[in-house]
Amino acid sequence: GAGVSQSPSNKVTEKGKDVELRCDPISGHTALYWYRQSLGQGLEFLIYFQGNSAPDKSGLPSDRFSAERTGGSVSTLTIQRTQQEDSAVYLCASSYAGGSEAFFGQGTRLTVV
Amino acid sequence: EDQVTQSPEALRLQEGESSSLNCSYTVSGLRGLFWYRQDPGKGPEFLFTLYSAGEEKEKERLKATLTKKESFLHITAPKPEDSATYLCAARMNTGFQKLVFGTGTRLLVSP
Repeated sequence: GAGVSQSPSNKVTEKGKDVELRCDPISGHTALYWYRQSLGQGLEFLIYFQGNSAPDKSGLPSDRFSAERTGGSVSTLTIQRTQQEDSAVYLCASSYAGGSEAFFGQGTRLTVV
Repeated sequence: EDQVTQSPEALRLQEGESSSLNCSYTVSGLRGLFWYRQDPGKGPEFLFTLYSAGEEKEKERLKATLTKKESFLHITAPKPEDSATYLCAARMNTGFQKLVFGTGTRLLVSP
């Protein structure tokens, strides 16, 4: 595709439910990143993939958060037992390996009620 | 601790009034300094990458510069359509590939 695609664009869920957020990176990009942006805050790093491996998971806030990537392409971020503080915009980005610029998707706005 | 700080938090300009946004960084070896533009409800849009002190890049009314401790985004004769939040991010030379972001500068250009 032409850009990074994320789905859904909006998600409202009840506290305690699990949610899955999907990211389709730019074709050929081996690096994939997840970030979280809360209202009025900067972008908070969550996890980095190189291929299907995640060498840096340091930003995942708790064990309720997990992510996987398959086929070196699509990635899914899963939040279990959602809490109200998980409400934020979840952004995915991809890039070629070696430190080149990262391109972002439009984000998934998650609201936990 | 690796840190990126942007100033001012918000900036209001009249159309045609040039100004600069600042991004200062304290990272353990810089591997790239990135500028992004973010419009409300959208993901960040890539603008520039700078890799070494003294480097400059330009795009339309925007020019980004880099020193050993900070980067500037100069906006010349801005137009209302330049209104957005401008984000700066640093990638370190150690460890992995994550970008450390500042909290951004909200720019409003009035006609």
